[in-house]
Amino acid sequence: AQKVTQAQTEISVVEKEDVTLDCVYETRDTTYYLFWYKQPPSGELVFLIRRNSFDEQNEISGRYSWNFQKSTSSFNFTITASQVVDSAVYFCALGALNTDKLIFGTGTRLQVFP
Amino acid sequence: GAGVSQSPRYKVAKRGQDVALRCDPISGHVSLFWYQQALGQGPEFLTYFQNEAQLDKSGLPSDRFFAERPEGSVSTLKIQRTQQEDSAVYLCASSLGLRGETQYFGPGTRLLVL
Repeated sequence: AQKVTQAQTEISVVEKEDVTLDCVYETRDTTYYLFWYKQPPSGELVFLIRRNSFDEQNEISGRYSWNFQKSTSSFNFTITASQVVDSAVYFCALGALNTDKLIFGTGTRLQVFP
Repeated sequence: GAGVSQSPRYKVAKRGQDVALRCDPISGHVSLFWYQQALGQGPEFLTYFQNEAQLDKSGLPSDRFFAERPEGSVSTLKIQRTQQEDSAVYLCASSLGLRGETQYFGPGTRLLVL
């Protein structure tokens, strides 16, 4: 079975703090894809990143960075120097080659206070 | 280019009414997905189309739910005899068509059944 766990329901930080959102996944597939999406209050899911299971290189995009570790089945997301505009619900999702659907975690609500 | 669009953005229905939700995918995207997102939860897969073919409808919760994409572009999700438990946000996503490709989401339709 495929499953995504985001154990942190809600995180609150003060602006400029760094914050890490955890994502742990389960799959028996050898080829799979991992995604992070941001859902601001407007409701639309905004794509942030896609990684495939063969590429464990960490990625940095501006203030965002992702740490993919197959050994621990984790794909964690770090926001450096958080800003109020980062306040949203963040979802981690899993996709595999033998299925077309995405399996989402329950999301982590991030609140950044000024 | 234009993203995924959905209409209506909000729908209030009386229990027992039929509703139709529309999704207009990104131009050129072969695959189209419908997800249901209950309050405080992650999106859950409903059904998937590749062009006009509905390849997976395993997530549809009951036979009251029906989806179509007759010309391989716009899709409609229909819910017959709505029940209160159908209240949720219905998200549509599209992708280029290969498995593992990024799914881009629309703003969703928030359905409230009274």
